[in-house]
Amino acid sequence: QVQLQQSGPGLVKPSQTLSLTCAISGDSVSSNSAAWNWIRQSPSRGLEWLGRTYYRSKWYNDYAISVKSRITINPDTSKNQFSLQLNSVTPEDTAVYYCARQGTYTSGWPIDFWGQGTLVTVSS
Amino acid sequence: QSALTQPASVSGSPGQSITISCTGTSSDVGGYNYVCWYQQHPGKAPKLMIYDVSDRPSGVSNRFSGSKSGNTASLTISGLQAEDEADYYCTSYTSSSTLYVFGTGTKVTVL
Repeated sequence: QVQLQQSGPGLVKPSQTLSLTCAISGDSVSSNSAAWNWIRQSPSRGLEWLGRTYYRSKWYNDYAISVKSRITINPDTSKNQFSLQLNSVTPEDTAVYYCARQGTYTSGWPIDFWGQGTLVTVSS
Repeated sequence: QSALTQPASVSGSPGQSITISCTGTSSDVGGYNYVCWYQQHPGKAPKLMIYDVSDRPSGVSNRFSGSKSGNTASLTISGLQAEDEADYYCTSYTSSSTLYVFGTGTKVTVL
């Protein structure tokens, strides 16, 4: 059973960088049959896919256009985890952030396992 | 990229069947058989209930079923139970640069 454990601060000041980490158990960040995502949820924006990283002989990243200029998702193979960095945050980035796995056992790549969620508040 | 449209709320009595719709466009729901449905209880992470329009993950009750017609996908819950009371979200792959779009969410109430 895949388990995802998130960690990181719950309060970030405006204009600073939001950083979260997602530790994986039961799978590998380097798996050729998975992709590793960040998704956020807020009352104003609902559920919003932010981006993903995955390995297929080399590392790939995809990012949502809404955050593409501010986001970085990095794998850490030594610790079997991946991270989210979102730069220049504003109060609009306040949300519950989830890490999640996509299983690539079907061509639809469903998001099948989620972390516990981290409420991140952007406030001075 | 606009969110997929779902009814804000749907309700039913125990034992009844309810259906939740999820309307998109030919760039997402209508163009691909990559619709998923998630159940979310308060304070919890979403749980995958349906993938690829109508497939159920192992462990999900067969009371949950999915279908699609044109640009609209649907989730049907039959034999409604108290534990089904939750928020439900659809999602689809999209040909836009965002890759994935979520629905607006539907609150299911068991009367």
